[in-house]
Amino acid sequence: GAVVSQHPSRVICKSGTSVKIECRSLDFQATTMFWYRQFPKQSLMLMATSNEGSKATYEQGVEKDKFLINHASLTLSTLTVTSAHPEDSSFYICSAWATGILNTEAFFGQGTRLTVV
Amino acid sequence: AQSVAQPEDQVNVAEGNPLTVKCTYSVSGNPYLFWYVQYPNRGLQFLLKYITGDNLVKGSYGFEAEFNKSQTSFHLKKPSALVSDSALYFCAVRAAVTGANNLFFGTGTRLTVIP
Repeated sequence: GAVVSQHPSRVICKSGTSVKIECRSLDFQATTMFWYRQFPKQSLMLMATSNEGSKATYEQGVEKDKFLINHASLTLSTLTVTSAHPEDSSFYICSAWATGILNTEAFFGQGTRLTVV
Repeated sequence: AQSVAQPEDQVNVAEGNPLTVKCTYSVSGNPYLFWYVQYPNRGLQFLLKYITGDNLVKGSYGFEAEFNKSQTSFHLKKPSALVSDSALYFCAVRAAVTGANNLFFGTGTRLTVIP
């Protein structure tokens, strides 16, 4: 099946710094990718929809200026957490729908555990 | 509006016994339904999906699920549980319309298989 690679898997940063998380579709092209956030013992909450070549669509309550999303190519989307604070500590997961015959299945990255100290 | 309900936060089952993880959904039109499994600090792994056709869907690791349109349910089942099945399970739904690619997830059910 298709593979989505997310990097890094774990990152610790200081409060006030920025962190970039990459999401790559390794063997298919993804015009749309999704970024989720998962709090401990909770479900995945959609943060934003990343669209190749255009601006991301953010869910209500998600700060656009804090969570910068760039989808510059059909295989790469990045999420940058700017001026991170401890409350941003969470597990971030990306996903992508493959086109064509695989379009009925979402593939997920391994997730990134962000800890802001 | 689309939504998924997983009524049980926790399911405990003895190894070798059958297991069921419940899921009900709400969606406009026909649904695409999915089950994913998550191990600690990992992303989601696909188990199975219902798109169309036979209501009984077989997936990875011996899991299966039955689509019941009248009850709007998609319960996950396995005839004989293994300790290694212990994990967090998510049910998800997507509307079967072009462009509606977003998945809506249930709150998850933690399955513990007791040796």
